Amino acid sequence: DAEITQSPRHKITETGRQVTLACHQTWNHNNMFWYRQDLGHGLRLIHYSYGVQDTNKGEVSDGYSVSRSNTEDLPLTLESAASSQTSVYFCASSATGNQPQHFGDGTRLSIL
Amino acid sequence: DAKTTQPNSMESNEEEPVHLPCNHSTISGTDYIHWYRQLPSQGPEYVIHGLTSNVNNRMASLAIAEDRKSSTLILHRATLRDAAVYYCILTPNAGNNRKLIWGLGTSLAVNP
Repeated sequence: DAEITQSPRHKITETGRQVTLACHQTWNHNNMFWYRQDLGHGLRLIHYSYGVQDTNKGEVSDGYSVSRSNTEDLPLTLESAASSQTSVYFCASSATGNQPQHFGDGTRLSIL
Repeated sequence: DAKTTQPNSMESNEEEPVHLPCNHSTISGTDYIHWYRQLPSQGPEYVIHGLTSNVNNRMASLAIAEDRKSSTLILHRATLRDAAVYYCILTPNAGNNRKLIWGLGTSLAVNP
């Protein structure tokens, strides 16, 4: 069965370090998304991609970057981790158009 | 971007029907209505979506008001596994669904 997997599931790091969260999908979807989820907020879009070599900023993109070198993967990089980036991060994918998004199980990131 | 309004929480008894309301008074004529749910420690999961007509699938039913300014997700027989946060989201019909606006959803408790 097709799936979307995130790794690691949990990570603790220090402020100032570079961190990369992995997202891999086997749906062969063109669209991929990164969200963060914090208490008191809904899911907020960080970056998204419509296909290979395409990336776009979401509503909370500062301090984050993504790259899309193939269909399956959209890694999320925190260039210099800050405590405000402590959150649960979700990756999602969807086919083109108005199709539902499929989500991974999330990465819980703590920045000390 | 159109937003949705949902009650913060609802409670139901096992094996009884549950009606989860959603108001979206600023919906545009081409917006789809999507419902997702999020179980504890998991990513959101697609439940159902529709445009104008009522929709049924194996998980739930979606009833859409004639003026499309509100909708109701119906779980026909709640189980303990249905305890989750339910999100009602509007998805633009044109292009990709990058502008999903996630609110805080409705937290559904199911009593045995």
